Amino acid sequence: AQKVTQAQTEISVVEKEDVTLDCVYETRDTTYYLFWYKQPPSGELVFLIRRNSFDEQNEISGRYSWNFQKSTSSFNFTITASQVVDSAVYFCALSEASGGSNYKLTFGKGTLLTVNP
Amino acid sequence: ETGVTQTPRHLVMGMTNKKSLKCEQHLGHNAMYWYKQSAKKPLELMFVYNFKEQTENNSVPSRFSPECPNSSHLFLHLHTLQPEDSALYLCASSQQHSGRASITDTQYFGPGTRLTVL
Repeated sequence: AQKVTQAQTEISVVEKEDVTLDCVYETRDTTYYLFWYKQPPSGELVFLIRRNSFDEQNEISGRYSWNFQKSTSSFNFTITASQVVDSAVYFCALSEASGGSNYKLTFGKGTLLTVNP
Repeated sequence: ETGVTQTPRHLVMGMTNKKSLKCEQHLGHNAMYWYKQSAKKPLELMFVYNFKEQTENNSVPSRFSPECPNSSHLFLHLHTLQPEDSALYLCASSQQHSGRASITDTQYFGPGTRLTVL
């Protein structure tokens, strides 16, 4: 089973629409961190957010917001009023201490978001 | 230069060539990473270095040879590659506060080198 599942392979929206990217994770640890990265066509992964497992408060940063729900093991990402510049591949990632002291960052397969003008 | 830089951005090589990828981080971090990103596959961690010491080798074939001369520079030496090694190779860095990897580490990535093996 995948540790981080991004079920939406591709999403296409029209500019100004809201869009939510789903992320479901799997871990046995009680302490872990979740991340979102953006990868525009240039290739660089841009860090967007880090959230620890004890903080379930939703976070908003401009047009970006994140909804963390431990009950459903989900960490979804919403872009409000999408813009063409939001077009990119978005990755969700899980950081956990697998088997004790070994740290592991596991990425999902990514969701390609295309925002059309 | 700021952040994490990688050169070259694009590389085409034959299977018998020897080439090297370079990564430099300008963030004052002490850990550096190589990842491989192939089409339609999750990012695969290849190597981790902390304070110039390799702390992880994720069962990478010996045709990939990393080198970390200091905390700011990381190289990936390539030799006798296969066409299936064609991918985007990403470098990342982070600050490991206790001298070892931690789940709190945030990794910052470079733009990658797009490698094509003919």
